[in-house]
Amino acid sequence: SAVISQKPSRDICQRGTSLTIQCQVDSQVTMMFWYRQQPGQSLTLIATANQGSEATYESGFVIDKFPISRPNLTFSTLTVSNMSPEDSSIYLCSGQLNTEAFFGQGTRLTVV
Amino acid sequence: GQNIDQPTEMTATEGAIVQINCTYQTSGFNGLFWYQQHAGEAPTFLSYNVLDGLEEKGRFSSFLSRSKGYSYLLLKELQMKDSASYLCAVLSFGNEKLTFGTGTRLTIIP
Repeated sequence: SAVISQKPSRDICQRGTSLTIQCQVDSQVTMMFWYRQQPGQSLTLIATANQGSEATYESGFVIDKFPISRPNLTFSTLTVSNMSPEDSSIYLCSGQLNTEAFFGQGTRLTVV
Repeated sequence: GQNIDQPTEMTATEGAIVQINCTYQTSGFNGLFWYQQHAGEAPTFLSYNVLDGLEEKGRFSSFLSRSKGYSYLLLKELQMKDSASYLCAVLSFGNEKLTFGTGTRLTIIP
């Protein structure tokens, strides 16, 4: 198994600012992913974070809005840029080890 | 593309058994996961099926039929702490990414 430490756990941010969320894994994982979860809804994949190359974004998500870094096999960041109230959500990172996906604790973001 | 369906809400009685169904349509199936998510917490892994049949793990069992695009999660001897959302997720072959269903919110009543 693997443990993912995600921070911050929550933040309240002003409109127009940016927030960077970090995830640290205690094992080397090939695949890392970033999800968004609106209240009461399921997880929506934002992008796949690739080590050594640009992230792969899902439809509806773009790099300018959600830049991602993956400098090594144990760490990744997601930045939510130029935030608006519509970006208020829970953001989760996950890593896959063998056939199991592990999640960080989530970041509850509120944009005011 | 992928399409994953599961009931939105279910209610069951403490001590009883409940079955949560999940149907999926996907190209390049490479496994199906079940996750449990309590309110305000991250999802936690419950089970993984890639071959047809039943996988049992304590009070929880998961079944898969690839030909029917169907899975279920079976919870036995229900406890109040089992009240949570249960997420069905399909793993795609090649890109190794998970697509989640909408989740089933299960409420256990005394």
